[in-house]
Amino acid sequence: EADIYQTPRYLVIGTGKKITLECSQTMGHDKMYWYQQDPGMELHLIHYSYGVNSTEKGDLSSESTVSRIRTEHFPLTLESARPSHTSQYLCASTSNYGYTFGSGTRLTVV
Amino acid sequence: AQSVTQLGSHVSVSEGALVLLRCNYSSSVPPYLFWYVQYPNQGLQLLLKYTSAATLVKGINGFEAEFKKSETSFHLTKPSAHMSDAAEYFCAVSDANFGNEKLTFGTGTRLTIIP
Repeated sequence: EADIYQTPRYLVIGTGKKITLECSQTMGHDKMYWYQQDPGMELHLIHYSYGVNSTEKGDLSSESTVSRIRTEHFPLTLESARPSHTSQYLCASTSNYGYTFGSGTRLTVV
Repeated sequence: AQSVTQLGSHVSVSEGALVLLRCNYSSSVPPYLFWYVQYPNQGLQLLLKYTSAATLVKGINGFEAEFKKSETSFHLTKPSAHMSDAAEYFCAVSDANFGNEKLTFGTGTRLTIIP
């Protein structure tokens, strides 16, 4: 049973819409991450957080933004979605024992 | 900087045959290495990890991997493939203790099992 939850699992939206992808974990982990995964491509880190009120940009430039107001919650927001944002977005958190990944949100912008 | 190269984006093996998925890494510091499996429409599940202990690492579902520093490799193997092994496999590297820092992933290898 997953301890990290992502909603929605699938989302199809029109260009220009604002969207928020939700990520929550019940393990009390301080470190959380967002990865972007395109088909046939590796996962790229786009955002990470080492605790409340801490957010950093990852290795891959992204037009999305994140917030970390509570330990368990790490939402990702796109202010104006574009077709180039079509991808799968995976959220993860870590402890000393390693990563736990969510099931992902598959986003399609039309 | 770290990087991971997975040789072969698609691998097909017959059921019962040996599975070998290749991973080579580049790291300027002692690496921590991981193999993850991703089933369709799911997140990533950890198969096994190398954290500078034994070079032969055993994971879940009968998989194992051997860390070879001289070859900068961390290939994943399973003696006998099962239909349920069909999935996407990702090799990843980290440079921090216990792998709780940023991971750098390979491009993945899709494993198909032939009945």
